[in-house]
Amino acid sequence: GESVGLHLPTLSVQEGDNSIINCAYSNSASDYFIWYKQESGKGPQFIIDIRSNMDKRQGQRVTVLLNKTVKHLSLQIAATQPGDSAVYFCAERGAGANNLFFGTGTRLTVIP
Amino acid sequence: GAGVSQSPSNKVTEKGKDVELRCDPISGHTALYWYRQSLGQGLEFLIYFQGNSAPDKSGLPSDRFSAERTGGSVSTLTIQRTQQEDSAVYLCASSPSYGYTFGSGTRLTVV
Repeated sequence: GESVGLHLPTLSVQEGDNSIINCAYSNSASDYFIWYKQESGKGPQFIIDIRSNMDKRQGQRVTVLLNKTVKHLSLQIAATQPGDSAVYFCAERGAGANNLFFGTGTRLTVIP
Repeated sequence: GAGVSQSPSNKVTEKGKDVELRCDPISGHTALYWYRQSLGQGLEFLIYFQGNSAPDKSGLPSDRFSAERTGGSVSTLTIQRTQQEDSAVYLCASSPSYGYTFGSGTRLTVV
């Protein structure tokens, strides 16, 4: 899961395996969530989003799961590839709020 | 343009100088955000613009920071009397309502 601090949580997976990145969010009133991927020297890249009226959403090779009971969000990446190596952030937006709150991210390293 | 454009991509400035960072959002996106990302940290919200409404400045860390958005499009973030702790990557994002698109950021280094 994500935590606030200087040391990023890390996840190392073998190429071809599935990856699961977890995020615990803080605001039970948050109604919109996004996963971003950030490669070195680049801005965050949108991966997938989900609204609070859903508990699962699928994209291409990615699935986001939302468990509002325990305030937990996860990103599943199928058949992980070396190009998936990056830092992944989850972000939440409170109902009626203007901005996204981000955690410090999880660094995913794919081993060829 | 096709994406959010920020300039300059890198800026080195001396402590005490003023700097201006520019953001060109995606055409038609009514919302524009500025975030700051320090080394190894997540993104810290700074300011939000929505159409012609008064901006949400609740994230600005001090009165040395200000931003404006002209004509509902281009935005400029100004940092006066820069300090070393201002060194970070400054990211701009725009959004139609859902799905925020970020630029590549401006890396600011205060020496």
